[in-house]
Amino acid sequence: GENVEQHPSTLSVQEGDSAVIKCTYSDSASNYFPWYKQELGKRPQLIIDIRSNVGEKKDQRIAVTLNKTAKHFSLHITETQPEDSAVYFCAASIQTGGAQKLVFGQGTRLTINP
Amino acid sequence: NAGVMQNPRHLVRRRGQEARLRCSPMKGHSHVYWYRQLPEEGLKFMVYLQKENIIDESGMPKERFSAEFPKEGPSILRIQQVVRGDSAAYFCASSRVLEETQYFGPGTRLLVL
Repeated sequence: GENVEQHPSTLSVQEGDSAVIKCTYSDSASNYFPWYKQELGKRPQLIIDIRSNVGEKKDQRIAVTLNKTAKHFSLHITETQPEDSAVYFCAASIQTGGAQKLVFGQGTRLTINP
Repeated sequence: NAGVMQNPRHLVRRRGQEARLRCSPMKGHSHVYWYRQLPEEGLKFMVYLQKENIIDESGMPKERFSAEFPKEGPSILRIQQVVRGDSAAYFCASSRVLEETQYFGPGTRLLVL
């Protein structure tokens, strides 16, 4: 089945610097890759997603890149701010028996230092 | 348009009791997914349901756990004879037909004493 690996598990950056989180997936049939942000005690919130027919997508300070050949995708946050501190999860969709579900990475705890 | 609703938000049970977790999807969404999150860990898929049908329950333990999504009313995740290892946050998510984007509810934090 699908396996999603996420690195690093923790990341600390200075406010204003950029942060990059990387994920790899194993199932070449996966075609949808969302990123979720989870603050302490809160629900995971979708921040950006990308489909396999696109190589890059950007939304203000957040961008995601996808390399289908290498089966990896990355989240880039520029000009980081204290409110970016949270746990970030990547995911890849898989289809099994007509059902589609998400397989999540292990998460990256991002800390922005003022 | 209300988001995904879950209740209760917090649930305390003693070992051996039953836990019932409820999830109401977003308006217009007919697909519901349940995930379990242990402290400091990621989200593990448990079960995927459409109205009156279980589509994929490959992530749900075979014993003590069951899920349903009736024609009327919320989806229910039921845990019988809870054990301490069941303590976790249980999130549900919903999506529209033929769309992959899933939106999460606030979760139910289950504590088994």
